[in-house]
Amino acid sequence: QKEVEQDPGPLSVPEGAIVSLNCTYSNSAFQYFMWYRQYSRKGPELLMYTYSSGNKEDGRFTAQVDKSSKYISLFIRDSQPSDSATYLCAMSEGGGGNKLTFGTGTQLKVEL
Amino acid sequence: GAVVSQHPSWVICKSGTSVKIECRSLDFQATTMFWYRQFPKQSLMLMATSNEGSKATYEQGVEKDKFLINHASLTLSTLTVTSAHPEDSSFYICSARSPYYGYTFGSGTRLTVV
Repeated sequence: QKEVEQDPGPLSVPEGAIVSLNCTYSNSAFQYFMWYRQYSRKGPELLMYTYSSGNKEDGRFTAQVDKSSKYISLFIRDSQPSDSATYLCAMSEGGGGNKLTFGTGTQLKVEL
Repeated sequence: GAVVSQHPSWVICKSGTSVKIECRSLDFQATTMFWYRQFPKQSLMLMATSNEGSKATYEQGVEKDKFLINHASLTLSTLTVTSAHPEDSSFYICSARSPYYGYTFGSGTRLTVV
C-alpha cells in the first residue's frame, strides 16, 4: 500500500463543473498538506497549503483536511479550461528540510 | 514570491556522456534542496535531499555515484547524471525549501539520452 493514495484517476469535466480531488494517507505524523498544480512539462506550482485539520479557501479553490480520517480534499468551483492540468497532493511531517510525500496525481481536463 | 530557476529546460546527450543540471533559488536562500525524477503520467519520485555544505542523502534505490549532487551554496544545487544511458531519460525537477516560502519547484529539465 502506498503511503499516499490519490483519487480519482484521469478526469474530464465540462466547463463550470465542480471538481473534487481526494487523497488518503497512512502516516499519522503528517502535519502539513499541500496541493500542487502541474502543467505538462513544467514544475509543480503551489495552489493551497494547510497546516493540520481544517478548511482553507482561496478564490475558486477550497482545501479540506481531516486528520482523524487521514483524508484531504481539494474542490475547484466553476472549473475553467485553464484548470486543465495534473493536480498533486503532497504532505510532510514538518521540521526543517523535511521531505514531501506526493500522491499519484490526477490529470484533469476541463472541456468547453 | 519565491522563484527557482532550473537549467537547462531540455537537453539531449549521447550515451556515455555526463550532463549537469543547475538549480538556483533567485531571491531567497534555500536551507534544503530536493531532486526529483518524474516519468510520463506519473508522480514525482524523490531522488535525494541536500543541505548546503553537506553530502546529499539519497533515497533507497538511487545510485549516488550515478547521480552526483553538489549543494555549493544556499542558492545553488547541481545534479550531474554521469555516464548517462537511455534509461536515464526522464524529467528531472528540483525544489528549494525555505522556512518562509516553503517548497518552491523549478520548471524541470527534460533529459533525452540517445
